[in-house]
Amino acid sequence: QSALTQPPSASGSPGQSVTISCTGTSSDVGGYNYVSWFQQHPGKAPKLMIYEVTKRPSGVPDRFSGSKSGNTASLTVSGLQAEDEADYYCSSYAGSNNPYVFGTGTKVTVL
Amino acid sequence: EVQLVQSGAEVKKPGESLKISCKGSGYSFTSYWIGWVRQMPGKGLEWMGIIYPGDSDTRYSPSFQGQVTISADKSISTAYLQWSSLKASDTAMYYCARHLGVTYPLDYWGQGTLVTVSS
Repeated sequence: QSALTQPPSASGSPGQSVTISCTGTSSDVGGYNYVSWFQQHPGKAPKLMIYEVTKRPSGVPDRFSGSKSGNTASLTVSGLQAEDEADYYCSSYAGSNNPYVFGTGTKVTVL
Repeated sequence: EVQLVQSGAEVKKPGESLKISCKGSGYSFTSYWIGWVRQMPGKGLEWMGIIYPGDSDTRYSPSFQGQVTISADKSISTAYLQWSSLKASDTAMYYCARHLGVTYPLDYWGQGTLVTVSS
């Protein structure tokens, strides 16, 4: 099972929006609505930001939103803030034999 | 409050064995899966495998099958990740995280255990 493909980096100025893509296959992203997104600051554990493609856990700002089209999922961060600068990883359910796959990760820089 | 507390950093030599732990509290430990995730220095997240402490049902990523062993002791709400013979390439941060089921997200994470393997 290969890792999901994300762009290595993305950036935006404070207040702008940034969108990160996560491309898989019909066996993972395209086959199920079980895509999650995680935020990881340096030296910290990952934090769940989006699950089941579009849902936000309690406490996650509504500036974070998710979507999916075919084999590609996306995370959009609107109204960028300095604290949004972090690494972001997508993940997807990939079937019972190998249930979980992560994306390659995207470093978001707030200019 | 849900918490996953992992054991401390380890420094080991190649060929040595190691078992690291992840203790859950603030929820029903036997009702959630515990997953293990590797992060090599400067690299991304890799899913290693999961265990259901309620019945010890365990599944491994093909990349880690045979390389590590995942276990749990539900009497003390603790999951484990162990190696029988460490390699330098096992040097990484290891995280545990819980999820309600294999299709559910990893919603709470431990703080991570840094394993360094060096001669």
